[in-house]
Amino acid sequence: DAGVTQSPTHLIKTRGQQVTLRCSPKSGHDTVSWYQQALGQGPQFIFQYYEEEERQRGNFPDRFSGHQFPNYSSELNVNALLLGDSALYLCASSLVRVPDTQYFGPGTRLTVL
Amino acid sequence: QQQVKQSPQSLIVQKGGISIINCAYENTAFDYFPWYQQFPGKGPALLIAIRPDVSEKKEGRFTISFNKSAKQFSLHIMDSQPGDSATYFCAARGDDMRFGAGTRLTVKP
Repeated sequence: DAGVTQSPTHLIKTRGQQVTLRCSPKSGHDTVSWYQQALGQGPQFIFQYYEEEERQRGNFPDRFSGHQFPNYSSELNVNALLLGDSALYLCASSLVRVPDTQYFGPGTRLTVL
Repeated sequence: QQQVKQSPQSLIVQKGGISIINCAYENTAFDYFPWYQQFPGKGPALLIAIRPDVSEKKEGRFTISFNKSAKQFSLHIMDSQPGDSATYFCAARGDDMRFGAGTRLTVKP
């Protein structure tokens, strides 16, 4: 049973570019949450998707957007990249009826130059 | 945005010793308090969690102590092992999950 998978593992972009990160949830999970983890910090909640809709959103600008597909996989899009967007982006999946138990993927390391 | 304060930032413990990590929160609406363990190159993994109606929860060598009136909770790792060397995050859930800044634990053999 595959856990949460994320792609790509690493990514290097330049300021102003756009990026798309991908996440496949743990088998059977229907809810996907995205987090940004800056170096030396704890994860910060970006948003959560369920039934292809954004359910909750953290304190992140509109440059951060997402999507969930019918197979529950999800994408995180970041437009107009800033140097400060450099971080590890984590995807976590869960069941909507068991929201406390989240399984995290290994993350995508984004570097903005 | 961070409403959970974690200390210490780093901790060095001898093998067999007790590791203690502390967290404090502000929002009394938080209703779930998990601890996560993260190894380099990996995502956080749920270690143990507690709800505010319980003062202590133990799972193997890991214990959470919870003080609702003080709005504090802590993780105790008994008989710490080199394999426990990792970064530990406390968290608290309200409308979303808020994480502490993390504690880098090193257990020396």
